[in-house]
Amino acid sequence: NAGVTQTPKFQVLKTGQSMTLQCAQDMNHNSMYWYRQDPGMGLRLIYYSASEGTTDKGEVPNGYNVSRLNKREFSLRLESAAPSQTSVYFCASSYQGSSYEQYFGPGTRLTVT
Amino acid sequence: TQLLEQSPQFLSIQEGENLTVYCNSSSVFSSLQWYRQEPGEGPVLLVTVVTGGEVKKLKRLTFQFGDARKDSSLHITAAQPGDTGLYLCAGVDSSYKLIFGSGTRLLVRP
Repeated sequence: NAGVTQTPKFQVLKTGQSMTLQCAQDMNHNSMYWYRQDPGMGLRLIYYSASEGTTDKGEVPNGYNVSRLNKREFSLRLESAAPSQTSVYFCASSYQGSSYEQYFGPGTRLTVT
Repeated sequence: TQLLEQSPQFLSIQEGENLTVYCNSSSVFSSLQWYRQEPGEGPVLLVTVVTGGEVKKLKRLTFQFGDARKDSSLHITAAQPGDTGLYLCAGVDSSYKLIFGSGTRLLVRP
């Protein structure tokens, strides 16, 4: 099993450019999450999808949009990238909600210049 | 917003030493998870504690959840270089979202 996969692994954007980060899981999990990790700040929740067809804001949603394309896929879009969005982005999934173990992808390292 | 404070932020010790990492909050969590993250990878779950006062052991790692479910600790006995990594605690908050602490970066020197 691949678990949680993310593409791309690395990306450099110029301020104002847009891009979509892709995430897919093959564990038949209901819930999926997007986090960002900055030095000294742990992981912060951007958006989550408790189940297919639903999405909700997390702690730091500004500047981002998400789409739960189907049960397997959950994408994160930056419409107009800003240097403050330079970070490592992790996608995760869990069977049903945060009380269950979350399985993380390998991350996408994004630099906005 | 519920916050989790971890201490220490950095720890560099010699192989064979013992250490304790702390995770504290002023808020109550329904459960608490501990993850370990290695460079270039996503976090991997080590343990989940649910009941106040609960103690769980995973080989040389001992996890404790505080009686009031506001704090937790991770104790490693006879640390080995393979224990090196970033240790993250994460609590399930009142709206069932996972709140992460800032992490403790551990380096175990051979």
